[in-house]
Amino acid sequence: QVQLQESGPGLVKPSETLSLTCTFSGGSISGYYWTWIRQIPGKGLEWIGFIYYTGSSNYNPSLKSRVTMSLDPSKKQFSLRLSSVTAADTAVYYCARGYSSSGLDYLYYMDVWGKGTTVTVS
Amino acid sequence: QSVLTQPPSASGTPGQRVTISCSGSSSNIGSSAVNWYQQLPGTAPKVLIYSNNERPSGVPDRISGSKSGSSASLAISGLQSEDEAVYYCATWDDNLNGVIFGGGTKLTVL
Repeated sequence: QVQLQESGPGLVKPSETLSLTCTFSGGSISGYYWTWIRQIPGKGLEWIGFIYYTGSSNYNPSLKSRVTMSLDPSKKQFSLRLSSVTAADTAVYYCARGYSSSGLDYLYYMDVWGKGTTVTVS
Repeated sequence: QSVLTQPPSASGTPGQRVTISCSGSSSNIGSSAVNWYQQLPGTAPKVLIYSNNERPSGVPDRISGSKSGSSASLAISGLQSEDEAVYYCATWDDNLNGVIFGGGTKLTVL
């Protein structure tokens, strides 16, 4: 059974860089899109982006200038760095495994999620 | 304001059938499969429906999804108290070149 677990500081100062790591177990890295999503308190879900197992990445345009994702297959980890954070970046950050396929409809969905980690910018 | 439009709330009594709508456009729902996520209070979202109408193993068949044109809907029949949660639709958007979510619908079991 695939499991994901986020880790990282729960408190980050304004203008600094938020760094989170997601460790996965029970599955292969190949063929998946390793994804980050966040949820501002009391609000909905926002896709941050993903890094494909090949190392290519795709970020939300609203965050693209501040986001960097990386992947370490040997450690079964992938990471998120978000620079120049403000209070607006305070959120619960989730890592997830993304799956995609092309057919009549393009399919992309997150089939396994971590429990989430709260990051406060203050 | 989300690109995908969902009603903010829905409700029903135990045993009833409820539906939750999700409206988009040709650049998202019109060209990509819709997925639905359930978020129980204090927990991470979990996929409930993927590829418009497919259920992951463990999701009961009283839960179903459908899509028509640029809209989709989630139906829950035989409503139970454990269904009380927030439900999000999501899909790929060609303009964003990424994933978009609806604003979420809070389902209350009366």
